[in-house]
Amino acid sequence: AQTVTQSQPEMSVQEAETVTLSCTYDTSENNYYLFWYKQPPSRQMILVIRQEAYKQQNATENRFSVNFQKAAKSFSLKISDSQLGDTAMYFCAFMMGPGGGADGLTFGKGTHLIIQP
Amino acid sequence: DAGVIQSPRHEVTEMGQEVTLRCKPISGHDYLFWYRQTMMRGLELLIYFNNNVPIDDSGMPEDRFSAKMPNASFSTLKIQPSEPRDSAVYFCASSLDPTDSEAFFGQGTRLTVV
Repeated sequence: AQTVTQSQPEMSVQEAETVTLSCTYDTSENNYYLFWYKQPPSRQMILVIRQEAYKQQNATENRFSVNFQKAAKSFSLKISDSQLGDTAMYFCAFMMGPGGGADGLTFGKGTHLIIQP
Repeated sequence: DAGVIQSPRHEVTEMGQEVTLRCKPISGHDYLFWYRQTMMRGLELLIYFNNNVPIDDSGMPEDRFSAKMPNASFSTLKIQPSEPRDSAVYFCASSLDPTDSEAFFGQGTRLTVV
């Protein structure tokens, strides 16, 4: 079974700073997908960024980028120029690739990110 | 499309009562997932369907939980009888193909069993 670990229960930074959220995972699979989801107080789960394990290039989405280290099984999220609206719970998630036999997401416990004005 | 629609948004019920949570996936999505979120266990996959057929229900905690998808536009998650430890937020999500596209989540149903 796959496991996802987020070692930072809570982080707080000043607006406009850069912050990095950590995530490690454990799997014996070679083909899989990794995700970061944002959950603001509204409770809505919002996809922030997605990474295919077979791609060496790190995914980026505007101010959000990842540092994917496959050998180390590490998948950190960097938020640049943080904004007040980035305040939320952030979840790292894993999904097996095609033919892996499971199509659902395995989530970490989350990091509560607070952006201070 | 209005997105994944879940009802009710909030449900408060007494222990022992039957609870039914409802989900309408995005039209055209072949996959539907039910997740549960608690403080202790985080987000867990309960069950998922592909083309209305249950594929993996290994996450369903007990026989008290059951899920159905009678057609492509509707799914239910039923708990009977409910217990206080079932209190959680239950999410429904849908996707075209989970390995090739994003899973879209509903707003969740907050269930409180007293």
